[in-house]
Amino acid sequence: DQQVKQNSPSLSVQEGRISILNCDYTNSMFDYFLWYKKYPAEGPTFLISISSIKDKNEDGRFTVFLNKSAKHLSLHIVPSQPGDSAVYFCAATDNYGQNFVFGPGTRLSVLP
Amino acid sequence: NAGVTQTPKFRILKIGQSMTLQCTQDMNHNYMYWYRQDPGMGLKLIYYSVGAGITDKGEVPNGYNVSRSTTEDFPLRLELAAPSQTSVYSCASSYLDRVGEQYFGPGTRLTVT
Repeated sequence: DQQVKQNSPSLSVQEGRISILNCDYTNSMFDYFLWYKKYPAEGPTFLISISSIKDKNEDGRFTVFLNKSAKHLSLHIVPSQPGDSAVYFCAATDNYGQNFVFGPGTRLSVLP
Repeated sequence: NAGVTQTPKFRILKIGQSMTLQCTQDMNHNYMYWYRQDPGMGLKLIYYSVGAGITDKGEVPNGYNVSRSTTEDFPLRLELAAPSQTSVYSCASSYLDRVGEQYFGPGTRLTVT
């Protein structure tokens, strides 16, 4: 049973518009959440994180929102750029931070 | 800084063969991890280490072994390779106080036939 779900395998967005990537989790013990971006033939790179004590974290064009009651988080990219085209992984961990659970990823395509 | 390096990039193994996937980081990170990723699935943690001499099992450790004799190196050993071990293997590392911000290597694509 997948503890971290990304139900959209792919998403296409026009350049300059907002990209919204969604992630749902089932384990209520998770209290720290992360987004990673992966280009082909490269390892994932850390993008942004959020602790369960917050409901929003912003870093430039990237904002992550956390809704604990719904066990849902989302990543907003505004404005989207062609260089944002990649696979985005949502990940979660518990208080100990040593066992991470990754979602299956969403492939974002930003069209010029 | 080279970051996290992994060798080899690709490998084909026959069933029953053994091999070691190498992982080295030059950032003096305490934590190191091995993941595997199968098509359509998220990364699954195989083993992790919180420091030299200390390792622990992740979600999918069966069929693998690890050791951590130095801070820099965290090799993953496959004994008696099986087709189910065909996957992309990723090594990562992080600081003690920023375990979520993992730095990943480029991965090793392993095929067992």
